[in-house]
Amino acid sequence: DGGITQSPKYLFRKEGQNVTLSCEQNLNHDAMYWYRQDPGQGLRLIYYSQIVNDFQKGDIAEGYSVSREKKESFPLTVTSAQKNPTAFYLCASRESPNYYEQYFGPGTRLTVT
Amino acid sequence: EDKVVQSPLSLVVHEGDTVTLNCSYEVTNFRSLLWYKQEKKAPTFLFMLTSSGIEKKSGRLSSILDKKELFSILNITATQTGDSAVYLCAVSYNTDKLIFGTGTRLQVFP
Repeated sequence: DGGITQSPKYLFRKEGQNVTLSCEQNLNHDAMYWYRQDPGQGLRLIYYSQIVNDFQKGDIAEGYSVSREKKESFPLTVTSAQKNPTAFYLCASRESPNYYEQYFGPGTRLTVT
Repeated sequence: EDKVVQSPLSLVVHEGDTVTLNCSYEVTNFRSLLWYKQEKKAPTFLFMLTSSGIEKKSGRLSSILDKKELFSILNITATQTGDSAVYLCAVSYNTDKLIFGTGTRLQVFP
C-alpha cells in the first residue's frame, strides 16, 4: 500500500520540550512538505524539501527545524522556541516538478501545555 | 501579497440540496488551482484546474476556473451527509508551493 504515514496521531508535551513529528512516504515522491493547520485558518507552510539533503523555509519556519536525509523521510522538530506549538500538523508529498498536486498524510495533533 | 479567499466560511444544507463553493485568488505566476476535501484528518485531492472554462467533473462534484475573473467554483449536486467536510482551495504559483484558502465548512443534514 502506497501512502504517507505520520506518527504519532496525538502528542502531548510540556512547554519547553522539543518534540519530533515523523513523516514517511513510500510513493517515491521527490518533494515533501510540512504544514500547520489552526482553527479558522488555512494550511500554512512550515518547511519543504525538493530533494534529499536540501530544504527551504516556508512562511512560518521560526521555531521549527527539519531534516531530509532519506527520500522517504522528512521529520519535523518543534522546538521550545516555537511560541504557539499547539496545532494540527500535516505532512504532504508531491511526485515531481511537473506535478502540482500534493498528497497528504493523516496528520499529528500536538498539544503543548 | 498573494492570497486565496474562500466563501462562504460555513454552509448548512439538507440532503438533496445543491451547493456552490467559491474560491477567488490574487496570485502572481498562477499555475493551477486545486480543490481538496478534508473530513477529519488528511485533505484528499479532488480536482486540479489549469485552463479557463473547462469543467472538471467527478460524480456529483464539478468545478470550473475563470482565469480572467480569478475565481473558481466547486458545485456539489444532490448533497449527501457524506459530503460534510471542509473544502479547501489552493493555488499553485510555482511548481514547488501551494497557497491555501481558509476553507468552507459544509454540513449536510438528513
